[in-house]
Amino acid sequence: EADIYQTPRYLVIGTGKKITLECSQTMGHDKMYWYQQDPGMELHLIHYSYGVNSTEKGDLSSESTVSRIRTEHFPLTLESARPSHTSQYLCASSTYNEQFFGPGTRLTVL
Amino acid sequence: AQSVAQPEDQVNVAEGNPLTVKCTYSVSGNPYLFWYVQYPNRGLQFLLKYITGDNLVKGSYGFEAEFNKSQTSFHLKKPSALVSDSALYFCAVRDIRDMRFGAGTRLTVKP
Repeated sequence: EADIYQTPRYLVIGTGKKITLECSQTMGHDKMYWYQQDPGMELHLIHYSYGVNSTEKGDLSSESTVSRIRTEHFPLTLESARPSHTSQYLCASSTYNEQFFGPGTRLTVL
Repeated sequence: AQSVAQPEDQVNVAEGNPLTVKCTYSVSGNPYLFWYVQYPNRGLQFLLKYITGDNLVKGSYGFEAEFNKSQTSFHLKKPSALVSDSALYFCAVRDIRDMRFGAGTRLTVKP
């Protein structure tokens, strides 16, 4: 079944750790996105990609980085996590007319 | 740039009553408009979209939305609210690069 997956769903880590949030989609979409969302608040675009080897920064400045080596995979990395990175991270992929969202990763940095 | 606005942070309705969640848009050209719903600790789920055609769009879970060009609105509606409809609702418009989301409206349906 075509879908979009995110792992882990929940992550609690200490300050200074390096982490990678995984996102994979089986729909063959070229466009993929990462959003940051504080609980119950609006979405902020932090990264997007139009295809393999294409990555761009979004509207909200973020200390994270992304890569797009394969069409189906769009991981997000934080080299040194800080408490200010505590948030929910949503991955999405899209056709021309519609975005599909993963379940999200809730990150807590202590 | 395309944008949408959700003027209400919170909407409260009683179960069984009709509900409306408001959205207005600002676009150049023809708008592609969407509604998404988010339940606690989940990603966004697609409800419905307007691309072209009938102004009244029917979507998932009994929701519908009316596209009104003169009022630049795309309000989400349901004739009879359920407690399980309580969630965060986002209006969105497709832009060249991505989707532009509203700030969200929290709908609470009380028994």
